[in-house]
Amino acid sequence: GNSVTQMEGPVTLSEEAFLTINCTYTATGYPSLFWYVQYPGEGLQLLLKATKADDKGSNKGFEATYRKETTSFHLEKGSVQVSDSAVYFCALSEGAAAGNKLTFGGGTRVLVKP
Amino acid sequence: DGGITQSPKYLFRKEGQNVTLSCEQNLNHDAMYWYRQDPGQGLRLIYYSQIVNDFQKGDIAEGYSVSREKKESFPLTVTSAQKNPTAFYLCASSIPDRINSPLHFGNGTRLTVT
Repeated sequence: GNSVTQMEGPVTLSEEAFLTINCTYTATGYPSLFWYVQYPGEGLQLLLKATKADDKGSNKGFEATYRKETTSFHLEKGSVQVSDSAVYFCALSEGAAAGNKLTFGGGTRVLVKP
Repeated sequence: DGGITQSPKYLFRKEGQNVTLSCEQNLNHDAMYWYRQDPGQGLRLIYYSQIVNDFQKGDIAEGYSVSREKKESFPLTVTSAQKNPTAFYLCASSIPDRINSPLHFGNGTRLTVT
């Protein structure tokens, strides 16, 4: 079956530091890959996505590149802010034929200190 | 504004009682999903529905039931058979026939059973 593995947190950074959250996946087909963000007490919001190999998703200064050869989709941001403190989830989808279901990683909590 | 509404935000029940969590969407999405979130474990799929009057079990359906009588609504019942019902429950929706359509999430219901 499909699975997503991401680095455990919490990750604690100072403001303006570089952030990397590792994500690797196992899938039988050619999945789409997503990063979602969850702020305290809220649901998940889509941060970015990539639908095929070598695609780069980007949003709000965050980037992730779909690497088929390493089955990875690592999230990066060059200069974090306190407002980036949240839990980040990597996820994959096998698409419409599989009902657009998402398989999630365990989440990585990020805490940015001023 | 279109979105997904989950109510209530917090719910408390005694052990042995069934409880129904509400999820309503006005995004005109055909597909709806229920996920359960436990601390440090990411999200796990309970049930999903791709069309009215049809639904499928997810990875952890035991002890839960759903109905999909209307496109806008996908209520989840947590029955007394669910051994560990205390969790954060998230409802989501998507357009199932659109390739790589992301899921849109509600803000969740935190259920506590004592």
